[in-house]
Amino acid sequence: EVQMLESGGGLVQPGGSLRLSCVASGFTFSSHALHWVRQAPGKGLEYVAAIKSNGGSTFYADSVKGRFIISRDNPKNTLYLQMGSLRTEDTAVYYCTRLGGIKDYWGQGTLVTVSS
Amino acid sequence: QSALTQPHSVSGSPGQSVTISCTGTSSDVGGYDYVSWYQQHPGKVPRLMIYDVNKRPSGVPDRFSGSKSGDTASLTISGLQAEDEADYYCCSYAGSYIWVFGGGTKLTVL
Repeated sequence: EVQMLESGGGLVQPGGSLRLSCVASGFTFSSHALHWVRQAPGKGLEYVAAIKSNGGSTFYADSVKGRFIISRDNPKNTLYLQMGSLRTEDTAVYYCTRLGGIKDYWGQGTLVTVSS
Repeated sequence: QSALTQPHSVSGSPGQSVTISCTGTSSDVGGYDYVSWYQQHPGKVPRLMIYDVNKRPSGVPDRFSGSKSGDTASLTISGLQAEDEADYYCCSYAGSYIWVFGGGTKLTVL
């Protein structure tokens, strides 16, 4: 059974930093690109960042470019999202995902709240 | 990379059919047969309803169907039921391991 378990969310002040982690199991972690998708309260899904299977290439939405860093540790089956210079508009549930085809997997999400 | 365009809301009565459109470009929807549709109920994780334009995962009722023409994909729900009331999102491959989502459509069952 595939599992993707996010952690690291919480309350942080504007301008602060936070690192999200996502531990995956049940599939060959190192063979797949992985993604972070977020959803602000009452809003739609927003594609935030992506990383190739070997970590050699990354992508960021314009809204987080220069502030967030996606990375992965394949031997540990773990995906990360380092978030810096956080803004109130970054408040959202953050999902780690493996997208595409029938083997499309999502974690339960972790809530990040940016507020003073 | 711009978000795919979906109608903000659609509605239908029980038993009727509704179609939700998802318009992109030749760089995403029009360029690949990799369009997925998700259903999301409040407070829940998105659920995959359609993948690869028109394929249904096991457990998804055959009332749900997907199609694509040019740069526009569509999700059709026939025989509407109360439990179909939810938000629906399209998602398309955009090349180079990148995906793009639509803004979401709220389906109301009258």
